[in-house]
Order: sequence, then C-alpha cells, then structure tokens
Amino acid sequence: DTGVSQDPRHKITKRGQNVTFRCDPISEHNRLYWYRQTLGQGPEFLTYFQNEAQLEKSRLLSDRFSAERPKGSFSTLEIQRTEQGDSAMYLCASSGGGATQYFGPGTRLTVL
Amino acid sequence: DQQVKQNSPSLSVQEGRISILNCDYTNSMFDYFLWYKKYPAEGPTFLISISSIKDKNEDGRFTVFLNKSAKHLSLHIVPSQPGDSAVYFCAASGAGGGADGLTFGKGTHLIIQP
Repeated sequence: DTGVSQDPRHKITKRGQNVTFRCDPISEHNRLYWYRQTLGQGPEFLTYFQNEAQLEKSRLLSDRFSAERPKGSFSTLEIQRTEQGDSAMYLCASSGGGATQYFGPGTRLTVL
Repeated sequence: DQQVKQNSPSLSVQEGRISILNCDYTNSMFDYFLWYKKYPAEGPTFLISISSIKDKNEDGRFTVFLNKSAKHLSLHIVPSQPGDSAVYFCAASGAGGGADGLTFGKGTHLIIQP
C-alpha cells in the first residue's frame, strides 16, 4: 500500500504563470478529491471525481482552475494565470467508496 | 458560515493524562464524522470516525463520542503521548455518499508536555 502521492511537493511561481499538480490515488480507489488549505484554516473542498467523471465542483473553483482524471487513475489540477491569493497547500485525497478519505502529503504553492 | 467548529485553537496536556478535543456542527444533514491528525508540512492522517447511528467508537487510545441532540462530538486520547502533539481536525460528511467532500473545522493544536 503506497498511499496517496502528490507531485511536486513544493512549487514557487510568479504571478500570472500557469501551474499543474499531479495526484496518484491509492490503487483501486475510484473516488478522488482535491482540497485547498490556507494558514489557520481546515482543508476546503474543491472538486470530486468518481472514476474519470468530475461530479462535483465547489464555488471556490474559479474559471482559472481545471481538474482532470483522464483514465480514472491519476488526476491533475491546473491553475492558470496564478494570483497571490492562490498561495496555499493543495491536498488530494482518495477513497474506495466509503466516507473515509485518505490524504496525500500535499503540494505547497507559493505565488510571488 | 462555519458548519464545523473547533472553538479551541490550542490545548496543552501533560503526558500520560487525558486529552479531550471538542467539535460542534450546525448542519443536521451530516451523518458521518471523522478526526484527522496533521503534522506540519504533511497531509492529514485519518484517525477515527463515527457514524451518526452510533454514540461512541473506540480504537486503542482514541475514543470518539457523538451527541447528536447537541450536535457535538469529542475525541478522547488516553493516555496522551508526546507523539500526539499535532493539529487535530474534525470533519463531517453529508448524505451525498462522498460526492460532497468533507467539511472541516479550523483545527485544534494539541501540545503534550512532558
């Protein structure tokens, strides 16, 4: 059991650049979630996939954000035209169908 | 409007004693509750959960109590150990069968003193 993995662990970018993060869920987990966590807050739900279908998106997910899970395995989260307010920890989680979600280590994004 | 509230930002407990972390929620549609532990620069680690049809769930040193009428749950850690020092998040899931994501509180920083 390799757990949920995320890449990169850290990303520093300049305002206006595009960034892409990758998440590999636990094998055979058909549900995948993205969250964002800022300092002093708990994780906030962004979006949810069941297999390759994106079934739910939070209002936090602006038009500059897009997520994909093309073959129902790994997922990518892209942020276009990054802003300083996008600086946060981006967390990925997966589940096998129950309510318990297992989180990856996160990608720390810093927008200068 | 915060639907899951952890009103204590921090809690200090002596090693060997009981740690009690509290959580309140406002949404009566929540039917499953979870506790996660988080170290700095790591993702949250699942600790223990409880369904709304139960009032207690135990796993080793960790016990979660749920009071549905008060919309309150608590996590008890007995005995507390130095490795328990971390931020603890309470989370809730609605009746969406996982499609709605988890709603988290802001966390309580637990400090175990020797």
